[in-house]
Amino acid sequence: AQTVTQSQPEMSVQEAETVTLSCTYDTSESNYYLFWYKQPPSRQMILVIRQEAYKQQNATENRFSVNFQKAAKSFSLKISDSQLGDTAMYFCAFMKRGGSTLGRLYFGRGTQLTVWP
Amino acid sequence: DTAVSQTPKYLVTQMGNDKSIKCEQNLGHDTMYWYKQDSKKFLKIMFSYNNKELIINETVPNRFSPKSPDKAHLNLHINSLELGDSAVYFCASSQEGRAHGYTFGSGTRLTVV
Repeated sequence: AQTVTQSQPEMSVQEAETVTLSCTYDTSESNYYLFWYKQPPSRQMILVIRQEAYKQQNATENRFSVNFQKAAKSFSLKISDSQLGDTAMYFCAFMKRGGSTLGRLYFGRGTQLTVWP
Repeated sequence: DTAVSQTPKYLVTQMGNDKSIKCEQNLGHDTMYWYKQDSKKFLKIMFSYNNKELIINETVPNRFSPKSPDKAHLNLHINSLELGDSAVYFCASSQEGRAHGYTFGSGTRLTVV
């Protein structure tokens, strides 16, 4: 079974600063995807960034980047130049590639990020 | 707009009632899901359908029954509602073979009183 662990239930950062959210996962699979989702107070689940396990290069999307360490099974999210609109719950998620549970997402318990002015 | 549409957004009902939540996607995806988000914000899969076929059926009470009339729709019917069913229910869709993750609906907050 796959498990995803987010060890920081809450974090806060000042506007314009950089913050890193941690995520580790446990799997015996070699082929998988990793995601970060954002859930603002509006409740909508929004995909922030994704990483394919076979790619060594870390994914980036504007101010968001990841540090993917496959051997350590670590997948942290760095948010640069934090903005007030980044305030949200952030979920790390794992998806096995292929197999009978195709497409199933395993979520961590989330990290509540608050950005202060 | 291309999206995953869920209705209703809010549902308040009494214990023992039967209710349905509807979900439709116009993205052409072949797989749809129901997830439950509990009061601590934990997201857990309930069901998934691929081209109208049930693929994942987690350990949920038999009172919950998904129905997929076609690959664009996945509805959730709940019988004999209990207080513990209060949660946010998310519908989502994805395309098999594409690592784009899910597109989520906006969620339905179910409150059982």
